Amino acid sequence: AQSVAQPEDQVNVAEGNPLTVKCTYSVSGNPYLFWYVQYPNRGLQFLLKYITGDNLVKGSYGFEAEFNKSQTSFHLKKPSALVSDSALYFCAVSAASGGSYIPTFGRGTSLIVHP
Amino acid sequence: DAMVIQNPRYQVTQFGKPVTLSCSQTLNHNVMYWYQQKSSQAPKLLFHYYDKDFNNEADTPDNFQSRRPNTSFCFLDIRSPGLGDAAMYLCATSRNLAGGIDTQYFGPGTRLTVL
Repeated sequence: AQSVAQPEDQVNVAEGNPLTVKCTYSVSGNPYLFWYVQYPNRGLQFLLKYITGDNLVKGSYGFEAEFNKSQTSFHLKKPSALVSDSALYFCAVSAASGGSYIPTFGRGTSLIVHP
Repeated sequence: DAMVIQNPRYQVTQFGKPVTLSCSQTLNHNVMYWYQQKSSQAPKLLFHYYDKDFNNEADTPDNFQSRRPNTSFCFLDIRSPGLGDAAMYLCATSRNLAGGIDTQYFGPGTRLTVL
């Protein structure tokens, strides 16, 4: 069965500093990887995805993520955090083949950016 | 703008009184999902439609039913809501890629309160 691990329940960072939200995955076959953000009382919003191609993926609001096949990781990064980035972040994986096409979500990481 | 719409945004019902939540989409995506989300946890998949094919998760209670009368609309029926069913209910859509699933687009959610 495919799975996603987000090892940190919460990440704290000062505004202006770089941020990283970690994600590792396990899947049979080639993965499709996604990051979503959720603000309070709202649905999830798509940030970025890796399907194929360049390992470094750039997404919305200045976020990026690097697909690392050997480490089965897809960490979310931003060079300079904003207070408005404070939200709940979910990593998700689905399998291109050999596994479930239905996305599996991580448990979420709460990002808190301090002024 | 193309989007996923959920109605109502807030629903209050009484213990045991049936309730229906609705979702519509203008994206013409063939896959639609219903998730239950509690207290900033990961969304829990209840069921999904792949075109007209209904797929029920093994651990979705029988109390939850769904209908998809056409591509654009999907309904979640809770036949006898219990206090434990109080949650945010998220509808999402996606299109399929070659063997996998593309980005999911989420509605704003319906927050269900059970009195």
